[in-house]
Amino acid sequence: GAGVSQTPSNKVTEKGKYVELRCDPISGHTALYWYRQSLGQGPEFLIYFQGTGAADDSGLPNDRFFAVRPEGSVSTLKIQRTERGDSAVYLCASSLTGGRDTQYFGPGTRLTVL
Amino acid sequence: TQLLEQSPQFLSIQEGENLTVYCNSSSVFSSLQWYRQEPGEGPVLLVTVVTGGEVKKLKRLTFQFGDARKDSSLHITAAQPGDTGLYLCAGHGSSNTGKLIFGQGTTLQVKP
Repeated sequence: GAGVSQTPSNKVTEKGKYVELRCDPISGHTALYWYRQSLGQGPEFLIYFQGTGAADDSGLPNDRFFAVRPEGSVSTLKIQRTERGDSAVYLCASSLTGGRDTQYFGPGTRLTVL
Repeated sequence: TQLLEQSPQFLSIQEGENLTVYCNSSSVFSSLQWYRQEPGEGPVLLVTVVTGGEVKKLKRLTFQFGDARKDSSLHITAAQPGDTGLYLCAGHGSSNTGKLIFGQGTTLQVKP
């Protein structure tokens, strides 16, 4: 069966530009998570969706970061006015219903801001 | 704030050696998880430990949860080159959303 997929796998952009990162969760999973992983570090939580709504966005670092999941499936993480410090691997995970359910991670999008 | 600290951060050993990775916190966690991550891929769940003092075995990997549920360890017996990767411990935050708090990871390199 298909796992979590993320596109693009790599994204290189210039400081100040806008980027969108896409996540396709496992079919039927209602919970979707975004994490950010800097080099040499563990993943850091950004935001959690239950269905279409953002149930916990406490990890978003500032208002340049925004995420949507309009139909309760695919999610897009949007970063405005990118900064060099935004360079990281952005991981998406999904689980069946959230809570303590096992999270299945995608391969990530490596974002490089020049 | 709940934090997880892993040690060592980097480990390079020869095939056949044993090793232990530690995951510590000042906070109590209801459960802790261990993941393995390979380059270009997302973390993959290895095990979840739930009960204080619990020991779980997965082939040559032994996982232990501390009695006070503040720490965990991963022991690998007779390491093989295929064990090379980033090992992460993680626990669920105090909310019920399922968000995971990760340690900074231990990079393991097993040389043939």
